[in-house]
Order: sequence, then structure tokens, then C-alpha cells
Amino acid sequence: AQSVAQPEDQVNVAEGNPLTVKCTYSVSGNPYLFWYVQYPNRGLQFLLKYITGDNLVKGSYGFEAEFNKSQTSFHLKKPSALVSDSALYFCAVREQSGGSYIPTFGRGTSLIVHP
Amino acid sequence: DAGVTQSPTHLIKTRGQQVTLRCSPISGHKSVSWYQQVLGQGPQFIFQYYEKEERGRGNFPDRFSARQFPNYSSELNVNALLLGDSALYLCASSLEPGNTIYFGEGSWLTVV
Repeated sequence: AQSVAQPEDQVNVAEGNPLTVKCTYSVSGNPYLFWYVQYPNRGLQFLLKYITGDNLVKGSYGFEAEFNKSQTSFHLKKPSALVSDSALYFCAVREQSGGSYIPTFGRGTSLIVHP
Repeated sequence: DAGVTQSPTHLIKTRGQQVTLRCSPISGHKSVSWYQQVLGQGPQFIFQYYEKEERGRGNFPDRFSARQFPNYSSELNVNALLLGDSALYLCASSLEPGNTIYFGEGSWLTVV
């Protein structure tokens, strides 16, 4: 079985400061990992994914995520937060092979960037 | 290029009624998935279709059904609506199962 945990319901950060949104996962084999963002009353937008290779993945809007296999984590980061980054962020995981092709999503983390 | 499009965007139904939600995938995408998102939760998987065949089904009752058409568009049907079916229903498409999925804006269903 595959699962995702987003341990923080909400993250608060001041504009211009670095931000981190945490995600840990559990899969039987190697993972594919994803981050999506959801703005109010909208669908989810794809930000970035990890498949293999470099542990630091760069995505849209200046976001990046670091894959750590030993800690089974895939934290989302941005060096300098913007007020417009305020949204709901979802981490998702699926097994690379031998399992379902369907990703499992976390509960989401609300990011609030203060001016 | 157009993204995933869903209709209707909002609808209100009465308990016991039936609803049909529609989805058109990104051009060239052959796989469509449906998710239910209730307030405060992440998307929960309902169905996946590929080449008109069901490839996966989540833990939802038989009141939920779906199909995919030859043009790869899809419909989600929910019968005998319950208050608990009130949610945002998201459609997502991908080139094939296993590729990155891209979501539409969703259909907001309110059951009263």
C-alpha cells in the first residue's frame, strides 16, 4: 500500500522568507512523487515531480523539492515566498512498478504568506 | 492548448436524485481519472479509464459509475444522491496511466 503524510495543516511565512512544506511517504518499492497546488475554488495545478535522478527537482513558479530516500521525504521549498504563493499544497505518491498507476494524495497543507 | 475541461461548474441536487458530470481531457491524452475532494481533504480516487476501459476503481459505492467515450471524454454518474456526496469532483487526464495527471477546475456538487 502507498500513503502520504503532510504533517502540517498550515504553514505561515513572511513574504521574502524561505518556505518549506513537508511531505513523507510510504511505498513498497521506489516512488514517483508529485506536488500540486490548489488556489481557492480551483482545481489542482501540477508543480513538479520526482521520478529518478537528481534528488533536487525544480518546478513551476520557482518551487523546488528535495527527495530524501533514507527519510522517505519529499519536502517542497522556495527560497523567497510571495503573497501570491498562498494556497493549498498537496503531495502525492505512487509506486514506480508492480502497483497501481494511481497516485495517493495527502490531506494538504495550507500555506499562508504574510506581507 | 486547452486544458482539462469539466461541466457543469456548479450544481445543486436534491437527495435521491441522479447527477452526470462531464470531462474532456487534454488533447492527445487517452486516460481519464475522477476524484472526489471534500472540504479539508485531499482528492480521493474514484475511477480511472484508459482506452474506454476501466483500469481502476476506488473505495466508492456502486452508486458511482463512469464511462469513457471513443473521443476519450468521460462522464461520471452518481445515483441516489446523499448529503455526503456534496463535494468538488475533479477530472484529471494523462497521456497514459502512470503518466503525470493534469486536473480540470472541477464540478462543485451540493446535495440538499
